[in-house]
Amino acid sequence: AQKVTQAQTEISVVEKEDVTLDCVYETRDTTYYLFWYKQPPSGELVFLIRRNSFDEQNEISGRYSWNFQKSTSSFNFTITASQVVDSAVYFCALSKGYNDMRFGAGTRLTVKP
Amino acid sequence: EPEVTQTPSHQVTQMGQEVILRCVPISNHLYFYWYRQILGQKVEFLVSFYNNEISEKSEIFDDQFSVERPDGSNFTLKIRSTKLEDSAMYFCASSELYQETQYFGPGTRLLVL
Repeated sequence: AQKVTQAQTEISVVEKEDVTLDCVYETRDTTYYLFWYKQPPSGELVFLIRRNSFDEQNEISGRYSWNFQKSTSSFNFTITASQVVDSAVYFCALSKGYNDMRFGAGTRLTVKP
Repeated sequence: EPEVTQTPSHQVTQMGQEVILRCVPISNHLYFYWYRQILGQKVEFLVSFYNNEISEKSEIFDDQFSVERPDGSNFTLKIRSTKLEDSAMYFCASSELYQETQYFGPGTRLLVL
């Protein structure tokens, strides 16, 4: 069964703090893809990253970084020096061999000035 | 930058009425998807579409739903007889190739009264 768990329902930080959003997934497939999407208050879904199951290299993009660990089935997302504009709901998602995507419940991040 | 567009942005309808939600995927994309997000809940996969036919659908996508690509650019989701529980944000997405990243439209917020 495919499942994505985002245990943190809500996180609140003060601007400039670092914050890590957790994502744990379950799948029996050996080939799969993991994603992070951002949903700001305006409601659209903004693609952040896609990672396939064979690539465990961590990735950094500006203030964003992702830590993929197959051994713990985790794909965590860290925002360094958070800003108010980072306030949004963040979804982790899993796509298996065919083309549907399963989303986690989302983590609502609030960054206070 | 190419993007997925959706119309209308908001739609209010009476229970039992038919609604058609429209999407224009990114022009060179071949795979199309519909998702829905009930207010405050996670994003749920409805259906994927390739080569003018459904390739995958979830248990949510029952007989009251249908999808169509009526011409070379539009991709539509029809709900035949809306129910109160169909009230949600409906997202269209498209991807260039199989298992490639899905890019989401801004969504259509449907309210069934």
